[in-house]
Amino acid sequence: ILNVEQSPQSLHVQEGDSTNFTCSFPSSNFYALHWYRWETAKSPEALFVMTLNGDEKKKGRISATLNTKEGYSYLYIKGSQPEDSATYLCASPEIKAAGNKLTFGGGTRVLVKP
Amino acid sequence: EAGVAQSPRYKIIEKRQSVAFWCNPISGHATLYWYQQILGQGPKLLIQFQNNGVVDDSQLPKDRFSAERLKGVDSTLKIQPAKLEDSAVYLCASSHGLAGVGFTDTQYFGPGTRLTVL
Repeated sequence: ILNVEQSPQSLHVQEGDSTNFTCSFPSSNFYALHWYRWETAKSPEALFVMTLNGDEKKKGRISATLNTKEGYSYLYIKGSQPEDSATYLCASPEIKAAGNKLTFGGGTRVLVKP
Repeated sequence: EAGVAQSPRYKIIEKRQSVAFWCNPISGHATLYWYQQILGQGPKLLIQFQNNGVVDDSQLPKDRFSAERLKGVDSTLKIQPAKLEDSAVYLCASSHGLAGVGFTDTQYFGPGTRLTVL
């Protein structure tokens, strides 16, 4: 079973400020890293799938970087808005013959204060 | 396209009672997953179906939990009897499940069922 960890567990951000948080995963046998955003009372939503070392993905004010050699990914939120308040989950897959099995980190809960 | 549907959204039961959750995945998705998310933790995979066959149920407490996927489409997850520690959000997800590209296969989640066991 993979060990995927996220830090911090939660953080409070003032509206307009930028922030970032970390996902750590085993660097050996790396295949991909998934980021999801989960707003309260809604479905978790896929943000990014990252596969290559040095990869950088962007969606609006949210971006992510990937370092597969040292086993971490950063997710950045630029100019945080109240609608960015959510739990951000990262997950790494175990390869199987059919489909994939994602192991999730514990999540980083972000609260953006107006 | 329509998303993953789950019902009910909320359920409160007494310990030792039974409960069932229903999931309708995205049309055409071969793989269906049930996750348990306990407060403060990440989602934990309970069971994974490929069409109507079980691929992984290694973390399913089989003495009390059961799941089936009829005709490779809808799925139900049952708990009988429930314990206090089963209080959690139960998430259903589906994916294309194409062999060989599984590690980039995006999973699409339903809104979950929040179960409270008293």
